[in-house]
Amino acid sequence: QKEVEQNSGPLSVPEGAIASLNCTYSDRGSQSFFWYRQYSGKSPELIMFIYSNGDKEDGRFTAQLNKASQYVSLLIRDSQPSDSATYLCAVSVGGYQKVTFGIGTKLQVIP
Amino acid sequence: NAGVMQNPRHLVRRRGQEARLRCSPMKGHSHVYWYRQLPEEGLKFMVYLQKENIIDESGMPKERFSAEFPKEGPSILRIQQVVRGDSAAYFCASSRDSLDGYTFGSGTRLTVV
Repeated sequence: QKEVEQNSGPLSVPEGAIASLNCTYSDRGSQSFFWYRQYSGKSPELIMFIYSNGDKEDGRFTAQLNKASQYVSLLIRDSQPSDSATYLCAVSVGGYQKVTFGIGTKLQVIP
Repeated sequence: NAGVMQNPRHLVRRRGQEARLRCSPMKGHSHVYWYRQLPEEGLKFMVYLQKENIIDESGMPKERFSAEFPKEGPSILRIQQVVRGDSAAYFCASSRDSLDGYTFGSGTRLTVV
């Protein structure tokens, strides 16, 4: 079982719709959860982090964490073509800062 | 306030040569990480360093690869006797402390011919 699992996609959504990206992780000791966005040929960029169960909102982005189900998700409201990128889920265990990344989900927002 | 600086951006080496990749963390960041990304694959952890210390090198191949973060100067990822399978994008990231998310550099694209 992979430590961090994501569907590689592509996930296609129409412009203006909600994009829902999902991630599961295997280590119950995981405490920090991150979402990065990576445009083709570029480096990853941190867009959200969450530590506690529940939702965390930042502009059009909402991160959701359910530790009991070992599940973390990212919602993007009012999706724009500029949101088209690969979204990487990342997890770290405890206060130790080795972060494990999923393979990423490719999102395509169709105009 | 410069971000994480990596150089070179692109590096071409012939098989058997050495590759040296450099990374200067963001100002105020003392944690440095190296990751490798192959086409269509995720980021794979290689090594985690703090000044003059290797904290975790569990992702480093046992041979040919080494990393350092000296008291002065950038962090260096060194690959000796490169082979074609070493061709990849190598990303350096830094963080201020153990709870922060990473800031990534622009990466070094290594091509071994």
